[in-house]
Amino acid sequence: EAGVAQSPRYKIIEKRQSVAFWCNPISGHATLYWYQQILGQGPKLLIQFQNNGVVDDSQLPKDRFSAERLKGVDSTLKIQPAKLEDSAVYLCASSFDMYNSPLHFGNGTRLTVT
Amino acid sequence: GDSVTQMEGPVTLSEEAFLTINCTYTATGYPSLFWYVQYPGEGLQLLLKATKADDKGSNKGFEATYRKETTSFHLEKGSVQVSDSAVYFCALTPFGNEKLTFGTGTRLTIIP
Repeated sequence: EAGVAQSPRYKIIEKRQSVAFWCNPISGHATLYWYQQILGQGPKLLIQFQNNGVVDDSQLPKDRFSAERLKGVDSTLKIQPAKLEDSAVYLCASSFDMYNSPLHFGNGTRLTVT
Repeated sequence: GDSVTQMEGPVTLSEEAFLTINCTYTATGYPSLFWYVQYPGEGLQLLLKATKADDKGSNKGFEATYRKETTSFHLEKGSVQVSDSAVYFCALTPFGNEKLTFGTGTRLTIIP
């Protein structure tokens, strides 16, 4: 089975610029997650989708971050404008459903904001 | 809120040494507990899990036992190999919900 695909793998931008990350989950997985992993810390959940609806976005900085999953499959996470503290690895994960299904993670996108 | 505290690294061991990485948690109710591993250049992978008190999760020679009385889920392996070099994350989810809360990770390096 194909895993969770993310792109790009790396991105370097200047502060105040915008950036977008793309995620394609495992086929048939209804639940999709975006995590932020700052260097030296554990991943932190930004947003969770169930199909194309948002289940939890309580830790998403909504003044600059947005995410969508319009057709309940692929998802895009956007940052506009970026700040230095947004430098991190952005991980996408998917699971078959919200309850007791294991999460499968992509390799992540490493963002550097200069 | 829920939180996970794990042993700070980095940890360096010789091949065939015994490994323990400590993990304790704070959560309401009865969470499920996990260990994830991140090998160099790869994504996070589930290593093992336990969903109720006294359960033991095991995989690839690693084991961890869900201890409710000490709120712990320590990771152990009897004889580590160079290929075990990775970053290990302890994590939990609240009962019936897959929202993972992670610890800060422990980098393990095994030297031949």
